Amino acid sequence: EIVMTQSPATLSVSPGERATLSCRASQSVSSNLAWYQQKPGQAPRLLIYGASTRATGIPARFSGSGSGTEFTLTISSLQSEDFAVYYCQQYNNWPRITFGQGTRLEIK
Amino acid sequence: EVQLVESGGGLVQPGGSLRLSCAASGFTFSSYEMNWVRQAPGKGLEWVSYISSSGSTIYYADSVKGRFTISRDNAKNSLYLQMNSLRAEDTAVYYCARESGQFDYWGQGTLVTVSS
Repeated sequence: EIVMTQSPATLSVSPGERATLSCRASQSVSSNLAWYQQKPGQAPRLLIYGASTRATGIPARFSGSGSGTEFTLTISSLQSEDFAVYYCQQYNNWPRITFGQGTRLEIK
Repeated sequence: EVQLVESGGGLVQPGGSLRLSCAASGFTFSSYEMNWVRQAPGKGLEWVSYISSSGSTIYYADSVKGRFTISRDNAKNSLYLQMNSLRAEDTAVYYCARESGQFDYWGQGTLVTVSS
């Protein structure tokens, strides 16, 4: 099983500032990585796939980078609606898909 | 508009059974692979099961293999998860999710609570 490790567990950032979230895979997943946003009481929403491609309707302030074992999700200027939990997911070892444990992005 | 609506969750005793359903609309259901993903209270996401568009290929997480059965009815645009021999650790919100490599659409989830 490929283990996905996200850091930090909690990130406190002020609105308007940049947020950088990290995800590390226990072995290479190439670019087969996705990012999801989940707000309380809601289902996850796909943000990024293929490590760097924004999903339909996702604002340009969200960007993804990385390949192999190290990945980053950057939110360039935080809006109030961006405070949520973010998960990375590898699908390189399909169908044994695995998720990271999540990073909680909170208002500073 | 793509919609996935789960139903069938509830409270069940350990060792009991439950059948979840996911009604799909807004897309050609028979063309898409589907999955079930669960989330224990306050925890992260765990993939549970996959089914191909025709239903001919199925996979399960080791944690549910032999106890859960995924199926679909393309004529009814519906996905199912039959859960038997339920355990306390199966308590979670269960989501159905459409797959296009990654999970591009999710339902709102249905809560399954396994407790005596």
